[in-house]
Amino acid sequence: KNEVEQSPQNLTAQEGEFITINCSYSVGISALHWLQQHPGGGIVSLFMLSSGKKKHGRLIATINIQEKHSSLHITASHPRDSAVYICAVASYNTDKLIFGTGTRLQVFP
Amino acid sequence: DAGVTQSPTHLIKTRGQHVTLRCSPISGHKSVSWYQQVLGQGPQFIFQYYEKEERGRGNFPDRFSARQFPNYSSELNVNALLLGDSALYLCASSFGRTGEPYEQYFGPGTRLTVT
Repeated sequence: KNEVEQSPQNLTAQEGEFITINCSYSVGISALHWLQQHPGGGIVSLFMLSSGKKKHGRLIATINIQEKHSSLHITASHPRDSAVYICAVASYNTDKLIFGTGTRLQVFP
Repeated sequence: DAGVTQSPTHLIKTRGQHVTLRCSPISGHKSVSWYQQVLGQGPQFIFQYYEKEERGRGNFPDRFSARQFPNYSSELNVNALLLGDSALYLCASSFGRTGEPYEQYFGPGTRLTVT
């Protein structure tokens, strides 16, 4: 069993739909990261969470430390949101990230 | 400000050769981490360096080595290349002080193809 599990693996949506991507982890962490990867490979950091909830524009990330679960929500999805979204957890006292396998999101107009 | 830079962007090598990949962190960042991403999979941790010392090592063979220089740039070396080493190699930098999680900033990656 992977230490970081994401669901779903693939997701298609119509423009304007509300999107939720889930992440569960089984190890102790100092923080959880949500990352976005576009074709070609570049990775952009969206959020780093230790507790609670963060919002940036149409993106919202939440984390429940007790349940070892995090969600990434995209409101009013747009075709430019199409990308792979990756959940990664940071081990205690290091920057070592353990990555999930990613969720491939396609938003159609 | 310049982001994390990596060189080269693409590289083709043959089996058995050696390769050196380079990474320059964001100014002020003292931690550099290396990750390998095989096509279709999530990245895997290879090394982390902080203040020129190795802070962490992933489950990779001794053919993989790295170092960090006084200006905090870093090199990843891979000896005796295998076909399975073909991947996107990502570098990430952060402030990296012990005991605190920091946001990591990723470079564009080096795509290595071994033939």
